[in-house]
Amino acid sequence: AQKVTQAQTEISVVEKEDVTLDCVYETRDTTYYLFWYKQPPSGELVFLIRRNSFDEQNEISGRYSWNFQKSTSSFNFTITASQVVDSAVYFCALYMDSNYQLIWGAGTKLIIKP
Amino acid sequence: EPEVTQTPSHQVTQMGQEVILRCVPISNHLYFYWYRQILGQKVEFLVSFYNNEISEKSEIFDDQFSVERPDGSNFTLKIRSTKLEDSAMYFCASRTNNYGYTFGSGTRLTVV
Repeated sequence: AQKVTQAQTEISVVEKEDVTLDCVYETRDTTYYLFWYKQPPSGELVFLIRRNSFDEQNEISGRYSWNFQKSTSSFNFTITASQVVDSAVYFCALYMDSNYQLIWGAGTKLIIKP
Repeated sequence: EPEVTQTPSHQVTQMGQEVILRCVPISNHLYFYWYRQILGQKVEFLVSFYNNEISEKSEIFDDQFSVERPDGSNFTLKIRSTKLEDSAMYFCASRTNNYGYTFGSGTRLTVV
């Protein structure tokens, strides 16, 4: 079965704290893609990162970093020195060629307090 | 940067009416999708479209739904007879061969 689990429904931190959003996925496919999207209060889906299953290199982009570990089927997302503008719902998603669709986690609502 | 454009941004319709949600995917993308998100819930797959036909559809995508690419640029989602539970945000997406998905900003459909 294919599944994406984001166990944290809501996280609230104070500005400038670091925060990690967890994502665990399940798939039998050997080739797949993992994504993170941000959904601000305005509702659109903002692409953050795509990672394929053969590339386990961690990635850093400014204050954002991603830790992909196939051994634990996890693709966690860390925001360093969080800012109020980071407040949003963050979705992790999984794509496999076997069913031509993105499978989404339930999302984690991140609240950054000033 | 190329965008996926969705219109309208918000549509209010009466139960039982037909609605057409419109999308203009990125011009060199070949794969097109509709997803929906009921308020406060996860994003759900509806349908994928490639080479002028549906390649995959979910259980949600029943006979009340249809998609069309009428003129090579627009990609539409039609709901034949709307129900209250069709109220949701509908997202169109297109992608390249290397799985570079781009989502539109969504159409919020409210069925009253």
